[in-house]
Amino acid sequence: DAKTTQPNSMESNEEEPVHLPCNHSTISGTDYIHWYRQLPSQGPEYVIHGLTSNVNNRMASLAIAEDRKSSTLILHRATLRDAAVYYCILRGWVNAGGTSYGKLTFGQGTILTVHP
Amino acid sequence: EAGVAQSPRYKIIEKRQSVAFWCNPISGHATLYWYQQILGQGPKLLIQFQNNGVVDDSQLPKDRFSAERLKGVDSTLKIQPAKLEDSAVYLCASSQYQGGEKLFFGSGTQLSVL
Repeated sequence: DAKTTQPNSMESNEEEPVHLPCNHSTISGTDYIHWYRQLPSQGPEYVIHGLTSNVNNRMASLAIAEDRKSSTLILHRATLRDAAVYYCILRGWVNAGGTSYGKLTFGQGTILTVHP
Repeated sequence: EAGVAQSPRYKIIEKRQSVAFWCNPISGHATLYWYQQILGQGPKLLIQFQNNGVVDDSQLPKDRFSAERLKGVDSTLKIQPAKLEDSAVYLCASSQYQGGEKLFFGSGTQLSVL
């Protein structure tokens, strides 16, 4: 499984933008870049995903480097509710026993603290 | 839209006892996942079902863990006998397709083995 590298923790102030980096130098051409976040005492929550082009949705933006070896999750205006662990994951495609399926392998993630 | 339902929310057992967790995925979702999350770590995939068939159980400790998904809907995960190191949150997730484009997670079952 291709791996990702994220900082252990980051801090931000409320209403400021947050840029969460992720390195994935061993990414393959078919791997999608996924981001999930996990609030305390909850299961992970899907944030955004992309392949090559930058992506935007109501929660965040995903900026993908041209060589795809790194990406950045952008929260445009952090709120206290954005305090969570953010996981950058490469969704690999597995072919086994005549079956093909996507597989998400979580790493340690980045703990984001948002200060009022 | 109802989310992924899991029960129980908490469970405390003694080592060598058995325990079972239940998961009801989002209606119509073909793929179901069980993850184990030890405190301070990211979730680890234990088993992945496509409808009622297993597509990946490479990290499931098969000597003590078992899982089934009857009729391609609900799923149960069982541990027998439990060990201290099984203390963790057990997360169930589902996705509409087997590509894993977007997973929806339940709140998990927190297991404490004493």
